Amino acid sequence: GQQVMQIPQYQHVQEGEDFTTYCNSSTTLSNIQWYKQRPGGHPVFLIQLVKSGEVKKQKRLTFQFGEAKKNSSLHITATQTTDVGTYFCAGPKNSGYSTLTFGKGTMLLVSP
Amino acid sequence: DGGITQSPKYLFRKEGQNVTLSCEQNLNHDAMYWYRQDPGQGLRLIYYSQIVNDFQKGDIAEGYSVSREKKESFPLTVTSAQKNPTAFYLCASSIGDTWNNQPQHFGDGTRLSIL
Repeated sequence: GQQVMQIPQYQHVQEGEDFTTYCNSSTTLSNIQWYKQRPGGHPVFLIQLVKSGEVKKQKRLTFQFGEAKKNSSLHITATQTTDVGTYFCAGPKNSGYSTLTFGKGTMLLVSP
Repeated sequence: DGGITQSPKYLFRKEGQNVTLSCEQNLNHDAMYWYRQDPGQGLRLIYYSQIVNDFQKGDIAEGYSVSREKKESFPLTVTSAQKNPTAFYLCASSIGDTWNNQPQHFGDGTRLSIL
């Protein structure tokens, strides 16, 4: 079945360093979504990418959708302690109505 | 404020007992979902519902049951058949859309533990 894989599983950075998480799908995706889950919290939608090669920015966060629409990345410039959390990518399931397959997430720790 | 409310926040289950987790939304969303999250894991889909009185099994439906009698409500029952129920359960909703994935809005979750 369809799989969405994320790497790395975990990353610990010093505040001010950059961070990138990568998402790879076994199949071509019509779109990809990114979510952030703070420790002890629930996932919060960040963004959706739809077009091949699309790049979107939200302040220090840059999201990219690959040309083949099988991979995506999230890059954070100059991390802050508020960036701590787990970042998930999610792609549409092949079979379900408006349902998503989530990656296992990348947990980001930022030390001051 | 519009949102999704899950209750209770913490729940303890005895062996052989069924428990029901509540999920209510006032976002006027057609679609609702139940996910299970285990430590270090992503979200796995248990059940979803596109519309009132209709629901579909997700990837890990065994040992769970749901109902969708009202648009606002999508309760999840964890039955005694679910042998490993300890997990964090998340309910979500989204605008119903057959062709496109809409962003999902999540509740605060319920942590279920076995006594």
